[in-house]
Amino acid sequence: QVQLQESGPGLVKPSQTLSLTCTVSGGSISSGSYYWSWIRQPAGKGLEWIGRIYTSGSTNYNPSLKSRVTISVDTSKNQFSLKLSSVTAADTAVYYCARVVVVPAAMSWFDPWGQGTLVTVSS
Amino acid sequence: DIQMTQSPSSLSASVGDRVTITCRASQSISSYLNWYQQKPGKAPKLLIYAASSLQSGVPSRFSGSGSGTDFTLTISSLQPEDFATYYCQQSYSTLDTFGQGTKLEIK
Repeated sequence: QVQLQESGPGLVKPSQTLSLTCTVSGGSISSGSYYWSWIRQPAGKGLEWIGRIYTSGSTNYNPSLKSRVTISVDTSKNQFSLKLSSVTAADTAVYYCARVVVVPAAMSWFDPWGQGTLVTVSS
Repeated sequence: DIQMTQSPSSLSASVGDRVTITCRASQSISSYLNWYQQKPGKAPKLLIYAASSLQSGVPSRFSGSGSGTDFTLTISSLQPEDFATYYCQQSYSTLDTFGQGTKLEIK
């Protein structure tokens, strides 16, 4: 079964760029009708969708983050990545990657999720 | 943006109770509604997709219903492992949004 694992620095300085990678195992990132997504959760708070990518490279981003976010995919490594620029303390959160299952009529849901990785923005 | 509002925000219940959590969308989303369970320190887990379809491996005591703007997640008989936070999520628009969560606690 497909599993996802986030990796990247746990500490980022303010104004710098947060970079995370999600490695997909147990299946090809290119197979099936899937998007690949990033979601974050500040401590004690709810879930915020960041964006998604299709293996063709097509992306959608949360408008609230769009000016700072780039999601990319590397099919040769079975990975997709997140870059968030100009970070502040408000970007401190657990970041999750997830597969987006898409069915006819464009219904979709997140399954499975990675275990999540905490990124702290601090000097 | 489509706003998702869950009620209640927290709920105390006992093992064996029947529990219902409500999710309301700010506009009609047909059946583009999913439910997740999150335990402390863990990633969310898909329970229900497309408003009423049970994800494989999820116990049948979980069920979902609704369409349009009003949806419910029902747990027919609470088990100790069900105490967690539950989130609804809409996929009707290209901007996916989640409810604020409902924390289910032991009474």
